[in-house]
Amino acid sequence: DAGITQSPRYKITETGRQVTLMCHQTWSHSYMFWYRQDLGHGLRLIYYSAAADITDKGEVPDGYVVSRSKTENFPLTLESATRSQTSVYFCASRRQGEAFFGQGTRLTVV
Amino acid sequence: SQQGEEDPQALSIQEGENATMNCSYKTSINNLQWYRQNSGRGLVHLILIRSNEREKHSGRLRVTLDTSKKSSSLLITASRAADTASYFCATDATRTSGSRLTFGEGTQLTVNP
Repeated sequence: DAGITQSPRYKITETGRQVTLMCHQTWSHSYMFWYRQDLGHGLRLIYYSAAADITDKGEVPDGYVVSRSKTENFPLTLESATRSQTSVYFCASRRQGEAFFGQGTRLTVV
Repeated sequence: SQQGEEDPQALSIQEGENATMNCSYKTSINNLQWYRQNSGRGLVHLILIRSNEREKHSGRLRVTLDTSKKSSSLLITASRAADTASYFCATDATRTSGSRLTFGEGTQLTVNP
């Protein structure tokens, strides 16, 4: 199916564990983004990528790592999960104009 | 800090009424976009208005942009229960932020049948 796919949809992990959230797009859009959504904060940009092998920090990058070896994939890794990283994570892609969002990953850190 | 701020935070209306949501932002923009988010889902693009446009229509949606006041409004006419969702404005300031979209906190719209 064409579009942007996130996996897993739900994840529970323990404090201190490493966890990777996956994002895959089928359009070959240049730009990809990771946002987190928390009550009272709206969507905040974590990292973004302008093309393969080009990434940059967003508003709240601490504790996260990204990579983009292929245009279609943009995984987000929490190196050592903390409870403050409990959130809903959205991946998005964009060529120009509008952005297309995945369905989100609900991550709970216990 | 968030570029866009929506007002009101929550809005409850009856079916058939019009809903107006406002967005203010802080820096110069290339365009401003509105997105909709149904509960538990991702965001869906509704409409984009460029910085040199003042008004744009799409179906029951009307968006205005006032760059002198750094504000935008989204009007949904003849609302339906299915319009119940959160609505977000997003600003694109490509010259300074490299194609990032910066979102506000959203307006939760409830349309009562």
